[in-house]
Amino acid sequence: AQKVTQAQTEISVVEKEDVTLDCVYETRDTTYYLFWYKQPPSGELVFLIRRNSFDEQNEISGRYSWNFQKSTSSFNFTITASQVVDSAVYFCALSEARRGGNKLTFGTGTQQKVEL
Amino acid sequence: GAGVSQTPSNKVTEKGKYVELRCDPISGHTALYWYRQSLGQGPEFLIYFQGTGAADDSGLPNDRFFAVRPEGSVSTLKIQRTERGDSAVYLCASSFGNGELFFGEGSRLTVL
Repeated sequence: AQKVTQAQTEISVVEKEDVTLDCVYETRDTTYYLFWYKQPPSGELVFLIRRNSFDEQNEISGRYSWNFQKSTSSFNFTITASQVVDSAVYFCALSEARRGGNKLTFGTGTQQKVEL
Repeated sequence: GAGVSQTPSNKVTEKGKYVELRCDPISGHTALYWYRQSLGQGPEFLIYFQGTGAADDSGLPNDRFFAVRPEGSVSTLKIQRTERGDSAVYLCASSFGNGELFFGEGSRLTVL
């Protein structure tokens, strides 16, 4: 069975601070995908990244960066220089590649609050 | 519209009633997914369509839940004999094949 754990329920930071959101996953599959989604107050889930289990390179996109460590089954997400618009719930998710990649198992989310 | 459209955005019903939730995916997207999100939780997979057929319905909680996609575009999630525990936000998503999933804003169902 697949499982995604986001131990941080809520994180509050001040604008311009860096923050790292933790994600630990469990799967028996050797091939899988990992995702991060952002859910602002409007409720719509916004795709941030998809990473194949064979690609352990870290990735940077603007103020966002992701650290994938297969040895510890973690896929952590860092926001640099946080802005108020970053306030949202962030979900980590996992899918089995053999099932087509979009049947996702989500974590419980981390509420990120950025204050002025 | 350009995105995934879901109607109604809010639905309040009484226990025991029948409910239909509609999803209009992005034009041309072959795959359509339904997820359910309870308060304070992550979305949970319900069912996945590839074209008109349900490719995987393993997430439907019981036989009160049913979904259709008769023409391979719009999908309807149907819930019979609603219970208070069915209260949640029902999210629809679509993708082109196994590409990026695009989610709608959801239909919030409240069963009194």
